[in-house]
Amino acid sequence: AQKVTQAQTEISVVEKEDVTLDCVYETRDTTYYLFWYKQPPSGELVFLIRRNSFDEQNEISGRYSWNFQKSTSSFNFTITASQVVDSAVYFCALGQAGTALIFGKGTTLSVSS
Amino acid sequence: GAVVSQHPSRVICKSGTSVKIECRSLDFQATTMFWYRQFPKQSLMLMATSNEGSKATYEQGVEKDKFLINHASLTLSTLTVTSAHPEDSSFYICSAMAGGLNYGYTFGSGTRLTVV
Repeated sequence: AQKVTQAQTEISVVEKEDVTLDCVYETRDTTYYLFWYKQPPSGELVFLIRRNSFDEQNEISGRYSWNFQKSTSSFNFTITASQVVDSAVYFCALGQAGTALIFGKGTTLSVSS
Repeated sequence: GAVVSQHPSRVICKSGTSVKIECRSLDFQATTMFWYRQFPKQSLMLMATSNEGSKATYEQGVEKDKFLINHASLTLSTLTVTSAHPEDSSFYICSAMAGGLNYGYTFGSGTRLTVV
Protein backbone atom coordinates (compact mmCIF):
# COMPACT_ATOMS: atom_id res chain seq x y z
CA ALA A 1 0.00 0.00 0.00
CA GLN A 2 1.11 3.54 -0.64
CA LYS A 3 1.43 5.97 2.20
CA VAL A 4 2.79 9.42 2.91
CA THR A 5 3.77 10.45 6.42
CA GLN A 6 4.31 14.00 7.52
CA ALA A 7 5.14 13.58 11.16
CA GLN A 8 5.24 17.30 11.94
CA THR A 9 1.72 18.56 12.47
CA GLU A 10 2.64 22.14 13.26
CA ILE A 11 5.84 24.13 13.16
CA SER A 12 6.34 27.67 14.39
CA VAL A 13 9.38 29.73 13.53
CA VAL A 14 10.43 33.32 13.59
CA GLU A 15 11.15 35.15 10.38
CA LYS A 16 14.55 34.49 8.83
CA GLU A 17 14.85 31.11 10.46
CA ASP A 18 15.39 28.08 8.26
CA VAL A 19 12.81 25.33 8.54
CA THR A 20 12.66 21.79 7.20
CA LEU A 21 9.43 19.94 6.59
CA ASP A 22 9.75 16.19 6.64
CA CYS A 23 8.08 13.71 4.32
CA VAL A 24 8.45 9.95 4.36
CA TYR A 25 6.71 7.79 1.81
CA GLU A 26 5.96 4.12 1.28
CA THR A 27 5.46 2.42 -2.05
CA ARG A 28 6.32 -0.87 -3.69
CA ASP A 29 6.44 0.68 -7.12
CA THR A 30 9.72 1.48 -8.81
CA THR A 31 8.27 4.34 -10.82
CA TYR A 32 6.50 7.04 -8.88
CA TYR A 33 6.27 10.78 -8.45
CA LEU A 34 6.60 12.93 -5.38
CA PHE A 35 5.08 16.35 -4.96
CA TRP A 36 4.97 19.24 -2.56
CA TYR A 37 2.05 21.64 -2.45
CA LYS A 38 1.39 24.77 -0.45
CA GLN A 39 -2.14 25.50 0.74
CA PRO A 40 -2.68 29.05 1.98
CA PRO A 41 -5.79 29.96 4.01
CA SER A 42 -7.74 30.60 0.80
CA GLY A 43 -7.60 26.87 0.13
CA GLU A 44 -6.18 26.54 -3.33
CA LEU A 45 -3.26 24.19 -3.78
CA VAL A 46 -0.09 25.80 -5.03
CA PHE A 47 2.24 23.41 -6.82
CA LEU A 48 5.83 23.64 -5.61
CA ILE A 49 7.71 20.72 -7.06
CA ARG A 50 7.41 17.33 -8.74
CA ARG A 51 10.16 14.77 -8.61
CA ASN A 52 10.17 11.38 -10.29
CA SER A 53 11.65 8.31 -8.70
CA PHE A 54 14.57 8.13 -11.09
CA ASP A 55 15.81 11.61 -10.34
CA GLU A 56 17.46 11.88 -6.97
CA GLN A 57 19.09 15.19 -7.63
CA ASN A 58 18.35 17.74 -4.99
CA GLU A 59 16.73 20.89 -6.22
CA ILE A 60 16.90 24.50 -5.20
CA SER A 61 14.46 27.17 -6.23
CA GLY A 62 15.13 30.49 -4.57
CA ARG A 63 14.62 30.02 -0.84
CA TYR A 64 13.17 26.55 -1.36
CA SER A 65 15.16 23.36 -1.57
CA TRP A 66 14.26 19.70 -1.64
CA ASN A 67 16.23 16.67 -0.55
CA PHE A 68 15.13 13.40 -2.12
CA GLN A 69 16.68 10.26 -0.68
CA LYS A 70 15.39 6.94 -1.94
CA SER A 71 17.48 5.05 0.60
CA THR A 72 15.39 6.48 3.40
CA SER A 73 12.20 7.04 1.34
CA SER A 74 12.25 10.68 2.24
CA PHE A 75 11.54 13.86 0.34
CA ASN A 76 12.18 16.75 2.70
CA PHE A 77 11.52 20.38 2.00
CA THR A 78 13.57 23.24 3.40
CA ILE A 79 12.67 26.91 3.43
CA THR A 80 15.65 29.15 3.98
CA ALA A 81 15.22 32.52 5.66
CA SER A 82 11.51 32.00 6.20
CA GLN A 83 9.07 34.85 5.71
CA VAL A 84 5.60 35.53 7.06
CA VAL A 85 4.19 34.84 3.59
CA ASP A 86 5.44 31.28 3.90
CA SER A 87 2.80 30.62 6.55
CA ALA A 88 0.53 27.92 5.15
CA VAL A 89 -0.20 24.22 5.23
CA TYR A 90 2.28 22.19 3.22
CA PHE A 91 1.40 18.82 1.78
CA CYS A 92 3.67 16.12 0.47
CA ALA A 93 2.04 13.75 -2.02
CA LEU A 94 2.84 10.52 -3.83
CA GLY A 95 1.50 9.37 -7.17
CA GLN A 96 1.92 7.21 -10.22
CA ALA A 97 1.04 7.92 -13.79
CA GLY A 98 -2.68 7.50 -14.18
CA THR A 99 -3.60 7.38 -10.52
CA ALA A 100 -4.72 9.89 -7.94
CA LEU A 101 -2.26 11.52 -5.60
CA ILE A 102 -2.02 10.30 -2.05
CA PHE A 103 -1.47 13.15 0.36
CA GLY A 104 0.20 13.29 3.71
CA LYS A 105 -1.68 14.89 6.58
CA GLY A 106 0.09 18.17 6.03
CA THR A 107 2.31 20.39 8.13
CA THR A 108 1.06 23.76 9.26
CA LEU A 109 3.87 26.28 9.18
CA SER A 110 3.50 29.51 11.09
CA VAL A 111 6.11 32.19 10.57
CA SER A 112 5.97 35.12 12.93
CA SER A 113 7.63 38.49 12.48
CA GLY B 1 0.09 25.92 -18.53
CA ALA B 2 -2.77 23.57 -17.82
CA VAL B 3 -5.65 25.25 -16.01
CA VAL B 4 -8.66 23.76 -14.27
CA SER B 5 -11.53 26.10 -13.51
CA GLN B 6 -13.74 25.09 -10.61
CA HIS B 7 -17.08 26.69 -9.75
CA PRO B 8 -18.55 27.80 -7.52
CA SER B 9 -15.76 28.76 -5.14
CA ARG B 10 -18.15 29.03 -2.24
CA VAL B 11 -21.72 27.87 -1.75
CA ILE B 12 -24.15 27.83 1.12
CA CYS B 13 -27.20 25.63 0.80
CA LYS B 14 -30.05 24.44 2.92
CA SER B 15 -30.11 20.95 4.31
CA GLY B 16 -31.86 18.58 1.93
CA THR B 17 -31.02 20.44 -1.24
CA SER B 18 -28.53 19.46 -3.95
CA VAL B 19 -25.45 21.31 -5.03
CA LYS B 20 -23.51 20.92 -8.26
CA ILE B 21 -19.81 21.67 -8.52
CA GLU B 22 -18.16 22.00 -11.93
CA CYS B 23 -14.60 21.50 -12.99
CA ARG B 24 -13.47 22.44 -16.47
CA SER B 25 -10.10 21.91 -18.06
CA LEU B 26 -9.54 25.08 -20.02
CA ASP B 27 -6.66 24.36 -22.33
CA PHE B 28 -6.27 20.63 -22.34
CA GLN B 29 -8.32 17.47 -22.49
CA ALA B 30 -8.75 15.71 -19.20
CA THR B 31 -9.68 12.09 -19.70
CA THR B 32 -9.41 11.55 -15.97
CA MET B 33 -10.40 13.80 -13.11
CA PHE B 34 -10.13 13.18 -9.40
CA TRP B 35 -12.41 14.54 -6.72
CA TYR B 36 -11.14 15.17 -3.23
CA ARG B 37 -12.76 16.28 -0.01
CA GLN B 38 -10.97 18.12 2.76
CA PHE B 39 -12.45 18.65 6.20
CA PRO B 40 -11.08 21.48 8.35
CA LYS B 41 -7.50 20.95 9.45
CA GLN B 42 -7.35 17.62 7.67
CA SER B 43 -5.74 16.28 4.56
CA LEU B 44 -7.21 15.83 1.12
CA MET B 45 -9.01 12.54 0.83
CA LEU B 46 -9.80 11.04 -2.54
CA MET B 47 -13.52 10.56 -3.09
CA ALA B 48 -13.65 9.28 -6.63
CA THR B 49 -11.94 8.97 -9.97
CA SER B 50 -13.88 10.21 -12.93
CA ASN B 51 -13.19 8.97 -16.45
CA GLU B 52 -14.71 10.59 -19.50
CA GLY B 53 -17.58 8.57 -20.88
CA SER B 54 -17.68 5.97 -18.13
CA LYS B 55 -18.91 5.56 -14.60
CA ALA B 56 -16.85 7.03 -11.82
CA THR B 57 -14.93 4.84 -9.43
CA TYR B 58 -15.63 5.67 -5.81
CA GLU B 59 -13.37 5.15 -2.84
CA GLN B 60 -14.48 2.94 -0.04
CA GLY B 61 -16.92 4.68 2.25
CA VAL B 62 -18.04 7.28 -0.29
CA GLU B 63 -21.72 6.98 -1.17
CA LYS B 64 -22.04 6.99 -4.94
CA ASP B 65 -25.75 7.79 -4.77
CA LYS B 66 -25.06 10.84 -2.66
CA PHE B 67 -22.08 12.16 -4.57
CA LEU B 68 -23.00 11.95 -8.23
CA ILE B 69 -20.16 12.40 -10.65
CA ASN B 70 -20.60 13.04 -14.33
CA HIS B 71 -17.75 13.29 -16.79
CA ALA B 72 -19.58 13.66 -20.05
CA SER B 73 -16.88 15.46 -22.00
CA LEU B 74 -13.12 15.70 -22.08
CA THR B 75 -13.23 19.13 -20.51
CA LEU B 76 -15.98 18.94 -17.91
CA SER B 77 -16.59 16.89 -14.82
CA THR B 78 -19.30 17.64 -12.28
CA LEU B 79 -19.88 16.56 -8.71
CA THR B 80 -23.40 16.82 -7.36
CA VAL B 81 -23.95 16.54 -3.65
CA THR B 82 -27.50 15.30 -3.34
CA SER B 83 -29.70 15.87 -0.31
CA ALA B 84 -26.90 17.69 1.41
CA HIS B 85 -26.62 17.63 5.19
CA PRO B 86 -24.46 19.67 7.55
CA GLU B 87 -21.93 16.84 7.78
CA ASP B 88 -21.30 17.27 4.05
CA SER B 89 -19.93 20.74 4.71
CA SER B 90 -16.38 20.58 3.48
CA PHE B 91 -13.87 21.81 0.94
CA TYR B 92 -14.19 19.96 -2.35
CA ILE B 93 -11.41 20.12 -4.90
CA CYS B 94 -10.95 18.54 -8.29
CA SER B 95 -7.79 17.55 -10.07
CA ALA B 96 -7.10 16.68 -13.67
CA MET B 97 -4.15 14.95 -15.15
CA ALA B 98 -2.27 16.77 -17.83
CA GLY B 99 -0.39 13.86 -19.24
CA GLY B 100 2.32 13.29 -21.73
CA LEU B 101 5.94 13.96 -20.96
CA ASN B 102 5.06 16.73 -18.54
CA TYR B 103 3.14 14.37 -16.34
CA GLY B 104 1.46 16.22 -13.61
CA TYR B 105 -1.72 17.20 -11.91
CA THR B 106 -3.64 20.42 -12.12
CA PHE B 107 -5.98 21.32 -9.31
CA GLY B 108 -9.06 23.46 -9.34
CA SER B 109 -9.28 26.26 -6.82
CA GLY B 110 -11.75 24.35 -4.67
CA THR B 111 -15.34 24.77 -3.51
CA ARG B 112 -16.20 25.51 0.07
CA LEU B 113 -19.60 23.99 0.77
CA THR B 114 -21.57 24.96 3.83
CA VAL B 115 -24.85 23.18 4.50
CA VAL B 116 -27.12 24.94 6.97
